[in-house]
Amino acid sequence: GDSVTQMEGPVTLSEEAFLTINCTYTATGYPSLFWYVQYPGEGLQLLLKATKADDKGSNKGFEATYRKETTSFHLEKGSVQVSDSAVYFCALSATGFQKLVFGTGTRLLVSP
Amino acid sequence: DVKVTQSSRYLVKRTGEKVFLECVQDMDHENMFWYRQDPGLGLRLIYFSYDVKMKEKGDIPEGYSVSREKKERFSLILESASTNQTSMYLCASSPTKGKNIQYFGAGTRLSVL
Repeated sequence: GDSVTQMEGPVTLSEEAFLTINCTYTATGYPSLFWYVQYPGEGLQLLLKATKADDKGSNKGFEATYRKETTSFHLEKGSVQVSDSAVYFCALSATGFQKLVFGTGTRLLVSP
Repeated sequence: DVKVTQSSRYLVKRTGEKVFLECVQDMDHENMFWYRQDPGLGLRLIYFSYDVKMKEKGDIPEGYSVSREKKERFSLILESASTNQTSMYLCASSPTKGKNIQYFGAGTRLSVL
């Protein structure tokens, strides 16, 4: 079945450091790919998405590119802030289906 | 803004009790979902619904049931709560014509003692 694999956390960075959180997927067809973020004490909210190969999703300084050849959707940010501390989830939805398949989440801790 | 409201942020129940978790969305979305979130396991889908009175099992439906009598409301029912159902429960909704973006509530942290 479809699955998403994320790097384990926590990822600990200093403010202004470069961030990469790896995400790879297994799916048939052409899934849509998502990054969701969960701030402490809150539900998940969509951070960015990409619906086809080579699409780049971006939001709030975060970026991720849909790489079909490597089945990856890595999340990057050039300069993290303390306020970026959260749990980040990679997810996919298969073509024609409303369900999302989530990775296990990666906790990011950014210190001043 | 889309709003998904879960009736309780924290809930403490005893083993064997019947538990109701309520979720309401205000955007006329067709689809609604219940997940549980556990450390190291991410989000796992319990049940979902594509329409009023429709329900489909997700990946871990055992010990749970759901009810969707009105479009805006989706209830998760634990018929007889057990300690292994202690978890964070998240409700989400999505429009059918919306590129599969789901909107989440803040979650209910349930403790079963």
